[in-house]
Formats: sequence, C-alpha cells, structure tokens
Amino acid sequence: EVQLVESGGGLVKPGGSLRLSCEASGFTFSSYSMNWVRQAPGKGLEWVSAISSSSSFISYADSVKGRFTISRDNAKNSLSLQMNSLRTEDTAVYYCARELYHLPDYWGQGTLVTVSS
Amino acid sequence: DIQMTQSPSSLSASVGDRVTITCRASQGIRNDLGWYQQKPGKAPKRLIYGASSLQSGVPSRFSGSGSGTEFTLTISSLQPEDFATYYCLQHNTDPYTFGQGTKLDIK
Repeated sequence: EVQLVESGGGLVKPGGSLRLSCEASGFTFSSYSMNWVRQAPGKGLEWVSAISSSSSFISYADSVKGRFTISRDNAKNSLSLQMNSLRTEDTAVYYCARELYHLPDYWGQGTLVTVSS
Repeated sequence: DIQMTQSPSSLSASVGDRVTITCRASQGIRNDLGWYQQKPGKAPKRLIYGASSLQSGVPSRFSGSGSGTEFTLTISSLQPEDFATYYCLQHNTDPYTFGQGTKLDIK
C-alpha cells in the first residue's frame, strides 16, 4: 500500500524557516517524481514544487521560487521542502504527492504550516 | 504561466443528476490535464489523467474529455458520495496550475 507521511509543520514567525519532510513507503520511491502542493485555509489547491526521480529536474511555483528548496534522499525514501523567508501567505496545509503520468496520484494527509507573529 | 479557469465555481445538484464541470486553459495544453476530487479535511483524490483516462478504482460514472484549451469532467449519475470540491490541474508547462475549484453540493 502506498503511504506518504508528512511532518515538520508548525507555527513560525514571518521571516522564519521550516523544513518539511515526507516519508514514503509501499512503492519504489526512487522511480517516481514527487510534488509538494499546498492549500491555504478555506482556499483552493496550489502546486508548489516538483522533483524528478534522480533530482535532475526541479521546478517551483513563482510564489516560492528563491525561498523554498525541494530535495530528496532516495536511500531513505524521503522528500523534503526547506522553506525560508516565510510569509503569512505561506500559511497552508502542505501535501506531498507521488507523480504518475506527470500528475500527482497518491497524496499524504498533509502537515499544517502557520506563519504568524 | 498558464491560467486554468474552472466553471461553475459552485453547483447544486440532486442524486441521479448528470453534472458537467468545465476547465479552460489560457493556452493550448494538448491533453495534459487531470481532475481531482477533494472532500473536507481530506487529501485530494485523482479521478482522471491525460484528460480522459480513468484512474484505477474510480467509478465509471466519472469521465473526462477535451483537448487543447477546453476540458470537461462529467458525472453521469450523481451519488451521495460525489458531493465534494473538484479541481483540474494542467501539467503541460511549468509551473503546474490548478483551476480554482468547483464546489458541488446537494440541492
């Protein structure tokens, strides 16, 4: 069974940093591209970032480019999102998702990031 | 960036109704589009990929069509469990972009 478990969310002040993690199991993690998608409270979905299976291709939404860094450790079946210079508008539930046929298919349950003073 | 415009933004319907949701892309995206269903407090669930391919395990009452700039998600006969919010997502060009969502509720 495919499982994705996010962690690392919490309350952080504007300008602060946070690192999210996603532990994967139930599939060959090193064979799949992975994504981060977020959802602000009461709002729609926003794609954040993607990384290819070998980390050779990485992309970001304009809203996070230069502030967020996606990475992965295939030996540990782990995906990360380093978030710096956080803003109040980054407050959201952050989901990690496996990519199949170029689109997220399986999603984790999400971790809440709250940016507030 | 490619803009995805979904319509309607909300929709009231009854069990058994046929429902259609539309997504329009600001430029051509071939068939590089998926549809997702999200229920409150839950992660999204993929329904359709490649604009018209049904995700394994998804009931056949869901179908997708379209290519280029206009796409539709159709639910042929609404069931109680289908009341949720639906999103389209294009993956033709980085950054990927979602439609703003369509909330489907019970009339």
